[in-house]
Amino acid sequence: DIQMTQSPSTLSASVGDRVTITCRASQSIGSWLAWYQQKPGKAPKLLIFAASSLESGVPSRFSGSGSGTEFTLTISSLQPDDFASYYCQQYNSYWTFGQGTKVEIK
Amino acid sequence: EVQLLDSGGGLVQPGGSLRLSCAASGFTFSIYAMSWVRQAPGKGLEWVSGISGRSDTTHYADSVKGRFTMSRDNPKNTLYLHMNSLRAEDTAVYYCAKPGVVGGTMYYFDSWGQGTLVTVSS
Repeated sequence: DIQMTQSPSTLSASVGDRVTITCRASQSIGSWLAWYQQKPGKAPKLLIFAASSLESGVPSRFSGSGSGTEFTLTISSLQPDDFASYYCQQYNSYWTFGQGTKVEIK
Repeated sequence: EVQLLDSGGGLVQPGGSLRLSCAASGFTFSIYAMSWVRQAPGKGLEWVSGISGRSDTTHYADSVKGRFTMSRDNPKNTLYLHMNSLRAEDTAVYYCAKPGVVGGTMYYFDSWGQGTLVTVSS
């Protein structure tokens, strides 16, 4: 099974900050990686697929990069609506999620 | 507009059974594989099961294999998850999820239901 490890688990930041979340896979997954945003009591929302492709309608301040085993999600300028939890997901072999990163207000 | 409406959750005793449903609309349901993903209270996301468009292939997480069965009724645009021998650790919000691409097994999820809560407790 492919394991996904995100860091950090919690991140405190201010509006306007540049934020980076890292996701590591236990083996190479090529670019078969997605990122989701989830707010309390709501379903996850797709942000990025194929490691770096922005889902339609998602603001351009979100970007993804990486391949193989190491990936990043970057929010270039954090907005009030971005305080949420973020999950990476590999879909190279079945489907596995990272444990999540909660972005909190500093 | 794609819509997925999850239902069927509730309180069930350990060892009991429950059937979840997901009513789909706004897309050609029969050509898409579908999945169930769950989230225990305060925890992360866990993929549970998947089924091909024509129901010829199903996959299950080891944690539910042999206890859960996934099925679909394409004429009714509805997805099901039959859950037997339920355990306390199955307590979670269950989401149905639609892939962003048609065909194959390498897909992310571009649409999700609103979720339905299953609580396993005596």
